[in-house]
Amino acid sequence: QQQVKQSPQSLIVQKGGISIINCAYENTAFDYFPWYQQFPGKGPALLIAIRPDVSEKKEGRFTISFNKSAKQFSLHIMDSQPGDSATYFCAAKNAKAGGTSYGKLTFGQGTILTVHP
Amino acid sequence: NAGVTQTPKFQVLKTGQSMTLQCAQDMNHNSMYWYRQDPGMGLRLIYYSASEGTTDKGEVPNGYNVSRLNKREFSLRLESAAPSQTSVYFCASSEPFNRELFFGEGSRLTVL
Repeated sequence: QQQVKQSPQSLIVQKGGISIINCAYENTAFDYFPWYQQFPGKGPALLIAIRPDVSEKKEGRFTISFNKSAKQFSLHIMDSQPGDSATYFCAAKNAKAGGTSYGKLTFGQGTILTVHP
Repeated sequence: NAGVTQTPKFQVLKTGQSMTLQCAQDMNHNSMYWYRQDPGMGLRLIYYSASEGTTDKGEVPNGYNVSRLNKREFSLRLESAAPSQTSVYFCASSEPFNRELFFGEGSRLTVL
């Protein structure tokens, strides 16, 4: 079963706009929530990540908002650029997997973002 | 610096054929992983190796076997390929307690 649900499946935004991608989870044992960015023909790469003890993390134009009570987290891309066009995956790690297992991630379905110039 | 290298990049198989996907990393990472990516399904963990000499099943291990040949190399074998194994396969590596996963560029497999 899909333990991390991601929406929307695809998103089209104009240059300069805000892109918002949402994820929801059920497993309260998740303790680490990264976002990965994937360009066509390439492997995913870590973009930004958050732990559940903070509600927001910002790195440049990218911000994660985290709502622990609602079991939801989202990625906001401010001033979206054509170079941001990619597939974005949210993910989560189960705390029971242990500190040696940050790579054992449960991924969302992915969102294809297109930013028009 | 090559990072994570996967071979082959593309492969077409007939149902029932076998093949091995190769993965090598030059970052001296202890942990390595195999994921598959399917449309609408995200990435799903097939097998992982927390350290040299150990392997464990992930979310979707059926139909696959793995070998951690040494610290650098982690291979994925399909003994009898099925159309349901048509996918893009990604190898990744990381350090224990390091939160970043480093992916290769993928191997696109089609089973007819």
